[in-house]
Order: sequence, then C-alpha cells, then structure tokens
Amino acid sequence: EAQVTQNPRYLITVTGKKLTVTCSQNMNHEYMSWYRQDPGLGLRQIYYSMNVEVTDKGDVPEGYKVSRKEKRNFPLILESPSPNQTSLYFCASSLEGQGINGYTFGSGTRLTVV
Amino acid sequence: LAKTTQPISMDSYEGQEVNITCSHNNIATNDYITWYQQFPSQGPRFIIQGYKTKVTNEVASLFIPADRKSSTLSLPRVSLSDTAVYYCLVGRLTGGGNKLTFGTGTQLKVEL
Repeated sequence: EAQVTQNPRYLITVTGKKLTVTCSQNMNHEYMSWYRQDPGLGLRQIYYSMNVEVTDKGDVPEGYKVSRKEKRNFPLILESPSPNQTSLYFCASSLEGQGINGYTFGSGTRLTVV
Repeated sequence: LAKTTQPISMDSYEGQEVNITCSHNNIATNDYITWYQQFPSQGPRFIIQGYKTKVTNEVASLFIPADRKSSTLSLPRVSLSDTAVYYCLVGRLTGGGNKLTFGTGTQLKVEL
C-alpha cells in the first residue's frame, strides 16, 4: 500500500532532550515536506526537500533540522526541544512540486515538550 | 507565492450542497488549485485538483472562473461524515517554488 509512515505517533519529552521523528514513503516520491499544525494557525511548513541532499526552509524552520540522505526517508530533528514546539506534526510527499493528485500525508506525530 | 483566503467556518445540514470559495488573487500562470480535507488528528487528504473551468470527480466538483482569481469547491448532498476542515492550496504541480502554505482552512460543520 502506498503510504507515508511517521514514527512515533505520540511522544512526550522534556525540554532540551534531542529527538528525531522519522518519516518514510514507499512511492519513490522526490518531494517531501514537514508541517506542524497548531490550533488556529492551520498547517505551517517547516522544511521541504526537492530530492536527495536538497532541502530548504519553509515558513517556520527555527528549532528544527532535517536531512535527506535517501529518497524514501526525511527525518525531522529537534536538537533541543522547547515547550513551544509542542504540536501535531505531519510529513507529506509527492512525486514533485505540488504533485498530480497532491500530497500524501502521514498519520501525524503528536509531540508534547514539558 | 499565491496567498489564499477562505471563510473560517461554514455550517450546513445533511443533504444540502455546500460551496466553499477560495480567493487567490495572485495566482501564477503555472499554478494549479488543489483542495484537501482534514479530519481531527489525521493528515489532510487530497480531494480534487484543477487548472481552469470545471473538474468533477466522485466526491466533489471544482469551479474555476476564467480569471482564476478564485475557486469554489462544491460538495453535493453532504452528510455528517463531511464535517471536516477544507484547505485550498495553490502552487505549481512540478518544479520549484515548493514553499507551499496551507493556511487555516474552512471548518465545515454538517448537522442533521
């Protein structure tokens, strides 16, 4: 089944403890992106990647890192999480650009930083 | 990048047709319009995509006027399960310019 898989689904961590949220897609998509969703603010793009080793900042990149060493994986790294990064995170992929038939999204990762 | 504007919320009743309009005055020549549906705590799901005039699939229709500065998502005979947030997204299908913003969407509430 074609899908975007995020792990973990839920995560509670403490301020300053480095964490990684993984994202993997099995559709050979070139384009991958991370979004965060907060009440009243909609979906905001954190980082995106056009292809392997090609990444760029979205609207809210501060406090996050990404890497794209393989086409299928696009992990989101929080080097020193803070409470304002408590949010619902989504990974998405598409063949390229916005993509015919749009993005495929993962099921989300709910992160709580205390 | 084309900024989009949608109503924050809409209410409807089961069996009615719902039309949600998105304004995108700065749409570029190569931009397409895509609509997504999102249920609570789930990732957005693709509904329909178009460039101009009218597109129809099994779940919705998309109307795009000649100037392409707006688009309307039409949901025929909605049911309770159509209660969700609907997002309009404008951007290229291929190539660069992938800093794409979803905005806050339109919360559709369908009642009996």
